[in-house]
Amino acid sequence: DSGVTQTPKHLITATGQRVTLRCSPRSGDLSVYWYQQSLDQGLQFLIQYYNGEERAKGNILERFSAQQFPDLHSELNLSSLELGDSALYFCASRPGTDNSPLHFGNGTRLTVT
Amino acid sequence: AQKITQTQPGMFVQEKEAVTLDCTYDTSDPSYGLFWYKQPSSGEMIFLIYQGSYDQQNATEGRYSLNFQKARKSANLVISASQLGDSAMYFCAMREGSGSRLTFGEGTQLTVNP
Repeated sequence: DSGVTQTPKHLITATGQRVTLRCSPRSGDLSVYWYQQSLDQGLQFLIQYYNGEERAKGNILERFSAQQFPDLHSELNLSSLELGDSALYFCASRPGTDNSPLHFGNGTRLTVT
Repeated sequence: AQKITQTQPGMFVQEKEAVTLDCTYDTSDPSYGLFWYKQPSSGEMIFLIYQGSYDQQNATEGRYSLNFQKARKSANLVISASQLGDSAMYFCAMREGSGSRLTFGEGTQLTVNP
């Protein structure tokens, strides 16, 4: 168990809808990262937060947004969903020290029909 | 250009044998870190081993070791005494400089045969 909790585990929704994925990082970890894993694109970095502030942005679509709350949990919001957004979405956290690895949650499997 | 290249889409190994999974990387930053992760069919991403660019010794963690060849920009994962539970997808990843995000390769699917 990595200590990173993601909910829900599975999500099935229709095109055009909006969903929210939730992540609780490991206790004490200030950095949260979101990744998308799809068959055609592999593991893609979306966005990083550190102690409530956005730190880095990757290949995140404008339809997607995220935030990190004062209690350090994070949410990834996906709107105007398209079939191509179907993927496994991972949250990861780390304390913030240079050599520390990312610890991943079990992911949220999103299926857009 | 790809920052992380894993050239073996699939690998097969007999139980109890050793196997090497290849990873080459591309960076101009002298400070970087290399990571290996395992993703079983259940989907979770499990951290295995880390190698820093300034580390003099190859990293080892139990049955996992990292064959780090800096001049060749390779960071191959060696799994000794393979077990059936080692069957999974394995990802190599890199962190460059002061950045903290990881860039992942496309992965190698390892199958351990009994």
